[in-house]
Amino acid sequence: KNEVEQSPQNLTAQEGEFITINCSYSVGISALHWLQQHPGGGIVSLFMLSSGKKKHGRLIATINIQEKHSSLHITASHPRDSAVYICAVRNYGGSQGNLIFGKGTKLSVKP
Amino acid sequence: ETGVTQSPTHLIKTRGQQVTLRCSSQSGHNTVSWYQQALGQGPQFIFQYYREEENGRGNFPPRFSGLQFPNYSSELNVNALELDDSALYLCASSSLKASSYGYTFGSGTRLTVV
Repeated sequence: KNEVEQSPQNLTAQEGEFITINCSYSVGISALHWLQQHPGGGIVSLFMLSSGKKKHGRLIATINIQEKHSSLHITASHPRDSAVYICAVRNYGGSQGNLIFGKGTKLSVKP
Repeated sequence: ETGVTQSPTHLIKTRGQQVTLRCSSQSGHNTVSWYQQALGQGPQFIFQYYREEENGRGNFPPRFSGLQFPNYSSELNVNALELDDSALYLCASSSLKASSYGYTFGSGTRLTVV
């Protein structure tokens, strides 16, 4: 069993829909990251969370430390949101770059 | 200068050869981490460099080695290439300041070993 599990693996939505991507982890963490990866491979860091909730534009990320679960929400989805969304955790006590990544959720938003 | 630049963007090597991949660091960042991403998988942590020394390593053999330079840029060297080393190699720079653990990723180098 992977230490970081994401669901769903693939997601197709219509433009304007509300989208939720889930991440569960099984290790103690000091931080959780949500990342966006486009087809060319480059990764953009969206959020870093250690508790609570963060919002940036149409993106909202939440984390529940007790339940070891995080969600990424996209409101009013748009075709340009199409990408792979990756959850990654920093193991508590690990070096800063030592992230454990999920396999990603491939999102496709249709116009 | 902002952003992280990786070079080259694509590379084809033969099994047994050696390869060097390069990564700049975002201005203000002093730490560089390297990751290997096989097709269809999430990235895997290779190692991290801080102040020109390795200070964290994932489950990769010694033929994966690195360097960090005084300007915080970094190199990843892989010796004795194997077919399974074919992957996207990503680097990310960050700062060890407690108030800022954000990462800036490069666009990656896609290595194909034939």
